[in-house]
Amino acid sequence: NAGVTQTPKFQVLKTGQSMTLQCAQDMNHEYMSWYRQDPGMGLRLIHYSVGAGITDQGEVPNGYNVSRSTTEDFPLRLLSAAPSQTSVYFCASSLTGGNQPQHFGDGTRLSIL
Amino acid sequence: RKEVEQDPGPFNVPEGATVAFNCTYSNSASQSFFWYRQDCRKEPKLLMSVYSSGNEDGRFTAQLNRASQYISLLIRDSKLSDSATYLCVVRKNTGNQFYFGTGTSLTVIP
Repeated sequence: NAGVTQTPKFQVLKTGQSMTLQCAQDMNHEYMSWYRQDPGMGLRLIHYSVGAGITDQGEVPNGYNVSRSTTEDFPLRLLSAAPSQTSVYFCASSLTGGNQPQHFGDGTRLSIL
Repeated sequence: RKEVEQDPGPFNVPEGATVAFNCTYSNSASQSFFWYRQDCRKEPKLLMSVYSSGNEDGRFTAQLNRASQYISLLIRDSKLSDSATYLCVVRKNTGNQFYFGTGTSLTVIP
């Protein structure tokens, strides 16, 4: 089972460049989300979506855009990369409602020079 | 106030020991509760859901106290492979968002 797939696994960018982190899930989950995790810190929610066509901001949305055109895909776009965005990014998905846990992708390790 | 608070530790325990972690949450509207495990530089993985009546999975026991708004995880007979960071996670019944604690670090020593 593929589960949640994130690409790329590693990326180095220069300040000011833009890029898209890809996330796809094959479990027909309505809820998808993006987190960043910095050394010694917990997961911080960037954006989330409760279904195709619906997105909302999390705790740290500035500098990031998302869209949800299909149930399966939830890409995260960095508009103009900054060194402060150097982090590990995790995508996760779950069913909505009830006692449904999140399933995480392997993560994307992003460095901004 | 943070939605979910955990003692960051670290907890250093010998093999075979019993160790317990607690976690408190601030919003009484929280509906679902989980413990995740995260190994260094890896993604969080579900350890177990936490049910109102408490639940057990092998050496792991989870408890929920809604009145006091805390969740606990008990690990019995600790193994070296239990060394990881344990994340307490709460999900609200509105909005579907998940709220993560910052994690409790456990090292099991030979």
